[in-house]
Amino acid sequence: EVQLVESGGGLVQPGGSLRLSCAASGFTFSSYAMSWVRQAPGKGLEWVSAISGSGGSTYYADSVKGRFTISRDNSKNTLYLQMNSLRAEDTAVYYCAKGSGYSYVDYFDYWGQGTLVTVSS
Amino acid sequence: QSVLTQPPSASGTPGQRVTISCSGSSSNIGSNYVYWYQQLPGTAPKLLIYRNNQRPSGVPDRFSGSKSGTSASLAISGLRSEDEADYYCAAWDDSLSGRWVFGGGTKLTVL
Repeated sequence: EVQLVESGGGLVQPGGSLRLSCAASGFTFSSYAMSWVRQAPGKGLEWVSAISGSGGSTYYADSVKGRFTISRDNSKNTLYLQMNSLRAEDTAVYYCAKGSGYSYVDYFDYWGQGTLVTVSS
Repeated sequence: QSVLTQPPSASGTPGQRVTISCSGSSSNIGSNYVYWYQQLPGTAPKLLIYRNNQRPSGVPDRFSGSKSGTSASLAISGLRSEDEADYYCAAWDDSLSGRWVFGGGTKLTVL
């Protein structure tokens, strides 16, 4: 059974940093692309970033480019999102999503339960 | 403002058939597959339809998807109270350096 468990969310001040983690199990982690998708309170879904199975290719939404860094540790079956220079508009539930294939263009077939990030002073 | 356009709300009575539309452009729906996700209240999104009209195992055949040109739609037949949820369409967008785009979501109410 595929399981994705996010952690690391919390309250952070504007300009601060936070690192999210997503522990994966139930599939061969290194064979699949992974993404982060966020949802602001009461709003829709927004794709944030994706990484290929090997970790060699990464992609970002314009809204987070230069501030967020996606990475993965295939030996630990864990996906990360390093978030720097956080802004109030980054407040959202962040979901970890498994790609259906190796490439970042493969759709999301499983989602974690999400972790809430609140950026406020 | 979402790249894909969905109606904010839809409704129907039990047993009815409802459809939810999703409009895009040549760089997303017009040239790539469309996906649909269901988000029940307080839960994470769940894949409902992939590659325009394919259902993952476990998704009832009451749910169906279609695509024509730069638009797509999700149909739910035999509406049930447990179908009350938010529904999102998604597609890969080839513009810029490439990105995933979503619709703004449609809240389905079962009356």
